[in-house]
Amino acid sequence: KAGVTQTPRYLIKTRGQQVTLSCSPISGHRSVSWYQQTPGQGLQFLFEYFSETQRNKGNFPGRFSGRQFSNSRSEMNVSTLELGDSALYLCASSPRGSGGAYEQYFGPGTRLTVT
Amino acid sequence: DQQVKQNSPSLSVQEGRISILNCDYTNSMFDYFLWYKKYPAEGPTFLISISSIKDKNEDGRFTVFLNKSAKHLSLHIVPSQPGDSAVYFCAATNINAGGTSYGKLTFGQGTILTVHP
Repeated sequence: KAGVTQTPRYLIKTRGQQVTLSCSPISGHRSVSWYQQTPGQGLQFLFEYFSETQRNKGNFPGRFSGRQFSNSRSEMNVSTLELGDSALYLCASSPRGSGGAYEQYFGPGTRLTVT
Repeated sequence: DQQVKQNSPSLSVQEGRISILNCDYTNSMFDYFLWYKKYPAEGPTFLISISSIKDKNEDGRFTVFLNKSAKHLSLHIVPSQPGDSAVYFCAATNINAGGTSYGKLTFGQGTILTVHP
């Protein structure tokens, strides 16, 4: 099976702009989680989608949003970008639908740089 | 409030010897633990996991030990190989809860493992 794919891999944006990142999970996986990785905060959970519904959200401002499509592909959007949003954004998919996370399989990430 | 802690930022080991990576957690609701390996410019790769009903799980060269009373887990790699050089993350979750546990792994800060030939 193909792994989790994320596009684009690298992105440079200016403060105040918005950005959309895309994630295609492993075939058959319906749970998609998003994480932000920064040197100072490490890997932080953003949100999780399952069957097109956001089931869980981390402690991030409302500028961070996402959605999931019927084919389980997911997008996340960051509006009004700030310098502190520069990070590696990771998407992970899981075959499990109930309870906590179990094993998650990560994509290569999108490196976002805000200038 | 860091609920999962990896107190050693780095570890250096000779090829062929044992690598022991440690992780502590504070949230007693965590009941499932995972280890991931990460190379630069790549996403984390799942290595091994353990449920809180067990105290040991093995997969090839990798063994994870869980001490629930101490809220401590460790990953043993035997024998260590230069290709094991990477950042290792410990993660935890509650698989028996819904709501705020759905899809959420809580990660430690990572330990950089360097295996010298």
